[in-house]
Amino acid sequence: GAVVSQHPSRVICKSGTSVKIECRSLDFQATTMFWYRQFPKQSLMLMATSNEGSKATYEQGVEKDKFLINHASLTLSTLTVTSAHPEDSSFYICSARDPRGDTIYFGEGSWLTVV
Amino acid sequence: GDSVTQMEGPVTLSEEAFLTINCTYTATGYPSLFWYVQYPGEGLQLLLKATKADDKGSNKGFEATYRKETTSFHLEKGSVQVSDSAVYFCALAKTSGSRLTFGEGTQLTVNP
Repeated sequence: GAVVSQHPSRVICKSGTSVKIECRSLDFQATTMFWYRQFPKQSLMLMATSNEGSKATYEQGVEKDKFLINHASLTLSTLTVTSAHPEDSSFYICSARDPRGDTIYFGEGSWLTVV
Repeated sequence: GDSVTQMEGPVTLSEEAFLTINCTYTATGYPSLFWYVQYPGEGLQLLLKATKADDKGSNKGFEATYRKETTSFHLEKGSVQVSDSAVYFCALAKTSGSRLTFGEGTQLTVNP
């Protein structure tokens, strides 16, 4: 079964509102989680690296005030898309590092549609 | 910086055909190499990995060998099935648990 779970799997929100996506490690404590964005038929783009108890490290070109990442516990990281616009519509995927085997597991992904 | 290049898709094969998806990389040092598979509408699943030169990763009939001399990690399967239809991503990381750099992805469609 899945060891990393994302919720919701699909969400539709109105333009200008904020939406939160959760990423949970179910079977291990993840000190590091990663957030990716994937456009249709394209590869994954790393948005940020989330470290438990500290600020996320954002990739160049990613607006940290728009994509708020919180990693408040060892099993949960959240991505909040603030003041969403239609161009934020995308597939967002998280991954978490299992320190026991130094393996990265991916969540199922979350489809965000902003209307 | 580090990068991964995959063969362009889409790739369409008949069931039981032989599959090769080419992957080459550019990186300093000795990265770990991965193949991930993404089924429609889903996240990524680790298919196989190799952490040092000449290692062969294998899973579900898929294989890939870490070739340092050619900086390659080509994915192969001797006989594909319809259920193998998915997008395949080659990726590298400095160490097994660090951030991943992905290739562009290759869409594979297997017809009955």
